[in-house]
Amino acid sequence: SQTIHQWPATLVQPVGSPLSLECTVEGTSNPNLYWYRQAAGRGLQLLFYSVGIGQISSEVPQNLSASRPQDRQFILSSKKLLLSDSGFYLCAWSETGRDSPLHFGNGTRLTVT
Amino acid sequence: GDSVTQMEGPVTLSKEAFLTINCTYTATGYPSLFWYVQYPGEGLQLLLKATKADDKGSNKGFEATYRKETTSFHLEKGSVQVSDSAVYFCALNKQTGANNLFFGTGTRLTVIP
Repeated sequence: SQTIHQWPATLVQPVGSPLSLECTVEGTSNPNLYWYRQAAGRGLQLLFYSVGIGQISSEVPQNLSASRPQDRQFILSSKKLLLSDSGFYLCAWSETGRDSPLHFGNGTRLTVT
Repeated sequence: GDSVTQMEGPVTLSKEAFLTINCTYTATGYPSLFWYVQYPGEGLQLLLKATKADDKGSNKGFEATYRKETTSFHLEKGSVQVSDSAVYFCALNKQTGANNLFFGTGTRLTVIP
């Protein structure tokens, strides 16, 4: 069966520090991968998605970047965190094909101080 | 632009009560509509979906009907259980990119015995 791992679960980082959140998927090949963010009182916002190794699409301009160095690995990064980067970050995967369900990790709670 | 407006919570119900969580959407074209659920300590998971007007999605006793005339996709359950306590997210597929889901803010449901 397929599983998705996301870590760390919580993270407190100072403003200006770098960020690296990692997500890996097991039990499937060539998945679509996604990074979402949920800010307080808001819905989940799609940040990045990837349909293959090295292929990253960004949905909103921001202080973050994403990379997919391996088929089932998706990394969310920042060189210098801002206070506004605080939030709940969720990684997800889906099979290819329209309306394939998304399968989410448990999320990372990031607090930038 | 595309958007999802979801009933604000939290919602507290007694066991076996009737549940309705309202969801309305704004979208161009013919989006697919979804309800995702997040149980305590778990990632989001697909609850049900409908891909065209008048379709009814159903799962675990929950139902939602895609109403194009009212642009709604309200979630209902006739008799809730304590195990239904969770956060419920309405979402639509924006039809651009790979399963680019646009989520509502989520509604927290608590069912008391």
